[in-house]
Amino acid sequence: DTEVTQTPKHLVMGMTNKKSLKCEQHMGHRAMYWYKQKAKKPPELMFVYSYEKLSINESVPSRFSPECPNSSLLNLHLHALQPEDSALYLCASSQMQGGETQYFGPGTRLLVL
Amino acid sequence: GDSVTQMEGPVTLSEEAFLTINCTYTATGYPSLFWYVQYPGEGLQLLLKATKADDKGSNKGFEATYRKETTSFHLEKGSVQVSDSAVYFCALSDRDSSASKIIFGSGTRLSIRP
Repeated sequence: DTEVTQTPKHLVMGMTNKKSLKCEQHMGHRAMYWYKQKAKKPPELMFVYSYEKLSINESVPSRFSPECPNSSLLNLHLHALQPEDSALYLCASSQMQGGETQYFGPGTRLLVL
Repeated sequence: GDSVTQMEGPVTLSEEAFLTINCTYTATGYPSLFWYVQYPGEGLQLLLKATKADDKGSNKGFEATYRKETTSFHLEKGSVQVSDSAVYFCALSDRDSSASKIIFGSGTRLSIRP
């Protein structure tokens, strides 16, 4: 099974709201990723977790706060977002080794009003 | 640093036409190479991969060969279908890194006319 699941599928939030995106995988992968994808662009890496520890933060604003509660779950907490943060947010996972395949979830389409 | 360059889209073809989407890469190490596909409104799906020189990845009638001498990984399909309409991303991952960080190309939008 190579499935990564994400909830919710769609999310609309105001600039003062707090919400969370959730991601889950059961492939035993120890690396998990958050990406942001704007229309007609490739995904942009936001965060990497390796063995449940944050290993890469690509200078993402603090209004995005990742969390990895265990090896299967990855959350992205959102607070005080801006309209320009509207995008498709993708989660992915892989084995803990360079060159390995990343498996992507279906994404959460976020609209910030 | 590492980079991936793929042909600009959009590419529009008639059904049953031959498809080539060019992809070249620059890498300091010895990367794994991937093609991902993104259908409208969906996430990315792995289409095929190759991990060493002269390897051919294939899936759903698509093929790509890892060419180290030309640093290329062109995607081909002999006869496209309307259902192949999607955005295709060429990508690499450095096998010397500790985590599988991916470098994506800019994406090529493919539209197939019935």
